[in-house]
Amino acid sequence: AQSVSQHNHHVILSEAASLELGCNYSYGGTVNLFWYVQYPGQHLQLLLKYFSGDPLVKGIKGFEAEFIKSKFSFNLRKPSVQWSDTAEYFCAVNLGGFKTIFGAGTRLFVKA
Amino acid sequence: EAQVTQNPRYLITVTGKKLTVTCSQNMNHEYMSWYRQDPGLGLRQIYYSMNVEVTDKGDVPEGYKVSRKEKRNFPLILESPSPNQTSLYFCASRPGIGESNQPQHFGDGTRLSIL
Repeated sequence: AQSVSQHNHHVILSEAASLELGCNYSYGGTVNLFWYVQYPGQHLQLLLKYFSGDPLVKGIKGFEAEFIKSKFSFNLRKPSVQWSDTAEYFCAVNLGGFKTIFGAGTRLFVKA
Repeated sequence: EAQVTQNPRYLITVTGKKLTVTCSQNMNHEYMSWYRQDPGLGLRQIYYSMNVEVTDKGDVPEGYKVSRKEKRNFPLILESPSPNQTSLYFCASRPGIGESNQPQHFGDGTRLSIL
């Protein structure tokens, strides 16, 4: 069955630390990949997406992600986190049009 | 302003009392979808719709119904709610099936509590 795995459910970092959140999916076909962020009490917003071309994609607020096809991975990175990055992060995979599967989410808490 | 609007934002009700959560988008999107969000499980797709009068089940459709009579509206219906349907619900939309690389736009969520 298709699935999306996010390796870390909770991450606590200090400001200025580097961030990497893992995401792996299980699906052999063509995919479109997304990272969404949900700030406390708000709806999901797009951070970045990949559907073709350069596997290193840059998003808003200094986030980037790298698609590694051979590893079925789409990890999210940020060189230096800020307190305002405290949120829940979701990796999502669109399976060729109809279905989108979300990971369970990673709660990030950044200590000021 | 482009948006997805859900109502109500909060609802506390009792087991068995039919309820409807409305969802409306003003972006002329063909694709709409409902998700429920539960701690540790992320978002799980309930139903989706590719266009007017075209709907299909997601991963967790049991206990839910949807309809898509107009392009802009996609209500979620709980005919006989049960406590295990207590959750945070999100409606989302995006352009049509040929644009699956486009992100979804999410509503602000509806928090349902079924007693």
